[in-house]
Amino acid sequence: AQTVTQSQPEMSVQEAETVTLSCTYDTSESDYYLFWYKQPPSRQMILVIRQEAYKQQNATENRFSVNFQKAAKSFSLKISDSQLGDAAMYFCAFIGNQAGTALIFGKGTTLSVSS
Amino acid sequence: GAVVSQHPSWVICKSGTSVKIECRSLDFQATTMFWYRQFPKQSLMLMATSNEGSKATYEQGVEKDKFLINHASLTLSTLTVTSAHPEDSSFYICSAFRDTSYEQYFGPGTRLTVT
Repeated sequence: AQTVTQSQPEMSVQEAETVTLSCTYDTSESDYYLFWYKQPPSRQMILVIRQEAYKQQNATENRFSVNFQKAAKSFSLKISDSQLGDAAMYFCAFIGNQAGTALIFGKGTTLSVSS
Repeated sequence: GAVVSQHPSWVICKSGTSVKIECRSLDFQATTMFWYRQFPKQSLMLMATSNEGSKATYEQGVEKDKFLINHASLTLSTLTVTSAHPEDSSFYICSAFRDTSYEQYFGPGTRLTVT
């Protein structure tokens, strides 16, 4: 069975600084997708970034980038130039290549941003 | 981007009554939708997978007679909490899977309070 582990329950960062959130996963599949979701106080789940396992290049979305290490089964999220609006709970998620299967979530990391 | 709505956003009901939560994909068809439950500061817990035109698949430990799921069309899934009790109070989130982008899109969630 696939599992997703986020070992940092809480992280903090100062405005304009950089922070990295960790995520590891376990799977026997070779083709899959990884995601980072943000859940602000409104509790709406927002997709931050997505990575296809077959792509070697790390995904980037503006200030958000990932470090995808397939062999190590690691998928960390780097937030550059942190902003107050980045404060939220962040979830790492995995989905296999079979269409219609549910996302498997990690336990989440609560990120606080201070000015 | 794809939009998923949920209604109601907040509902208060008395113990012993039933409440129905609707999840709609507004601009795409979804053969598969998912229902999650989330407690404060915790991750999303998958309750069931809802497939259009067929019975839902429930996760282990989820009472299917208590949480009735119906996916009658390609844009609507409903979750009915029957004979609700205070311990059913929680935040319920649905998501819809879009085949073309291989992504899940989340509704804004429904806060259920049972008094």
